[in-house]
This record gives sequence, structure tokens and C-alpha cells, in this order.
Amino acid sequence: GAGVSQSPSNKVTEKGKDVELRCDPISGHTALYWYRQSLGQGLEFLIYFQGNSAPDKSGLPSDRFSAERTGGSVSTLTIQRTQQEDSAVYLCASNRGDSQETQYFGPGTRLLVL
Amino acid sequence: AQKITQTQPGMFVQEKEAVTLDCTYDTSDPSYGLFWYKQPSSGEMIFLIYQGSYDQQNATEGRYSLNFQKARKSANLVISASQLGDSAMYFCAMREINTGGFKTIFGAGTRLFVKA
Repeated sequence: GAGVSQSPSNKVTEKGKDVELRCDPISGHTALYWYRQSLGQGLEFLIYFQGNSAPDKSGLPSDRFSAERTGGSVSTLTIQRTQQEDSAVYLCASNRGDSQETQYFGPGTRLLVL
Repeated sequence: AQKITQTQPGMFVQEKEAVTLDCTYDTSDPSYGLFWYKQPSSGEMIFLIYQGSYDQQNATEGRYSLNFQKARKSANLVISASQLGDSAMYFCAMREINTGGFKTIFGAGTRLFVKA
């Protein structure tokens, strides 16, 4: 079946612009996660959704970052007034919400802020 | 607070040899899960192996095994018979089941180089 998809695959933007990153999870997966990976670094947790609600937003770096999920499916991560330090790969993952289950990752969106 | 530590930024191993990648963790939640992922240069995240905190036996998946030492809070990944295709970044991750919801945190990673 289809895996997690993310769009765009690459995004170049100018400092100060807003960007939207999209994630389509695997069909039927109730849990959805967003991570950020800076070059050569580990994954930084941003937020996760259970259904349409986000029980844990503790990883969002600032109030410029927000995320929503509609219909228990697609999620959008929005970064307002982008800064150069926002440049990273943004990874989305999903699973069925079983605590023992791995997350299935998308290919990521590579964001470059000039 | 949960914490994952991978102390080896880079490791070299000869093809066909075994290699151990270290991972230590810190949590006060008695119920947790530990994961290992591989990230090749293509960037995809590939799940390798899972160990639950109450599992009595060390997890194994093909050439991958997890050396789980609960009292020492370590969960080292052992790769046997290394292959050139094993060259990649490897991440250890932990999920606190009682207190963390589904939040999973990752270590900084270890880059493995397999030499021919």
C-alpha cells in the first residue's frame, strides 16, 4: 500500500515568508508526528496528533510554528515569518497509535530559507 | 524528562565483522519502548528493531539484535556480518508509554562506515 507522502519535497523561500508543509499519512493511521532534522543532526520532535487533536505541542520551537490536522488524515505544518535557522528537513510519520508500534516515515520536505 | 544518548558520532567496521552501536537512555517511566532506525544517505528512515521495557528477551531481527541491559539503561544495537549497504546513520529512540503519550525522542545518531 501507499506510504506516508509529503509535499513539497523541496522548498526554497525567502526570510520572512510563510511556508506550508503537507503530510498525507498512511490510510487508517490515527497518530501523526512531525519532526525536524537539521543537517547532520538527530530528529527533533515537534508535535504529534491523535486523530485531529494535538495532545503534545511541546516541541514547537516558537509561536511561528503551528500545525493542524483535519479529518483525521492530512496534516499541515505552517511556519510563519521564516528565519534562516528554520532551514532543515521536516519529517512526518504516522502509525495506528499502538504504543509499541514503529512510526512510518515520509520522505521529508527539505526547507531552505535564504 | 526522557533522554537518549548516543556517544559514538562515527564508527568504522570491516565488512563481514560485527559492530555494536551504543545507546543509553534515562526515564522514570517503568513502561517504555526502545527503537532503532537506519537512515541511509537517501534520507529515508528505516525501522530496524523494537524492545519493550518488560520484554524478557533481547529483540532480534535478522542480522540485528538489541543488547538490552535494563539496570544499566542501555539498549545497544548489534549488527552481525556487516555489509557495505549497512553504511548509514543509525538512530536510537525511546517512547515513554505511561507518561509520554506517543511522543518519541531520538538520539543524535551514529554514522557507521563499513569498509570493504
